[in-house]
Amino acid sequence: ILNVEQSPQSLHVQEGDSTNFTCSFPSSNFYALHWYRWETAKSPEALFVMTLNGDEKKKGRISATLNTKEGYSYLYIKGSQPEDSATYLCAFNLVSGTYKYIFGTGTRLKVLA
Amino acid sequence: NAGVTQTPKFRILKIGQSMTLQCTQDMNHNYMYWYRQDPGMGLKLIYYSVGAGITDKGEVPNGYNVSRSTTEDFPLRLELAAPSQTSVYFCASRAGTDGGEQYFGPGTRLTVT
Repeated sequence: ILNVEQSPQSLHVQEGDSTNFTCSFPSSNFYALHWYRWETAKSPEALFVMTLNGDEKKKGRISATLNTKEGYSYLYIKGSQPEDSATYLCAFNLVSGTYKYIFGTGTRLKVLA
Repeated sequence: NAGVTQTPKFRILKIGQSMTLQCTQDMNHNYMYWYRQDPGMGLKLIYYSVGAGITDKGEVPNGYNVSRSTTEDFPLRLELAAPSQTSVYFCASRAGTDGGEQYFGPGTRLTVT
């Protein structure tokens, strides 16, 4: 059974704090790693897609890194704002089935003003 | 350009009733997916399709059926609703690029009582 683990499950931070979460996945048969942002009562929206070991992606105050050899990815948020409050999902694709996505359960972030 | 649309947004069914959840995308994507999301759990793949006329089972297909007669539409059928099918259902689509991002619909919240 292929599993994606995300930690922590939930997180409360103060406005202005920087924070990071972890996504762990099986390192064998890896093809791509995705991060999604999911606001309450909305649908998930793609943040990043990463495929290469050592990849780093950035969008505004949010960035992500990828280590395919050890099977983890970090998502960083610098200077958290209340509008960053959401659940952050990661998902990965296998080489043997690049059309299938295996999702983690997400990290729920709450930024307190 | 509406993206991925789903109807209905909410539905309450009695045990044993049937219904179809509609999903349409206007991005000419080949790949389409149905997921369910239960509290505290990640997105679980029910069925997916890699093109018109081609469908396959995901992780949790029991109690559901799909069809894909056109590129745009991917309806999900529940034949004999059971309380275990109470969930939020998301449809998603993806272009042909391997490991590409998915685009999600707004979700259908289904309660079976």
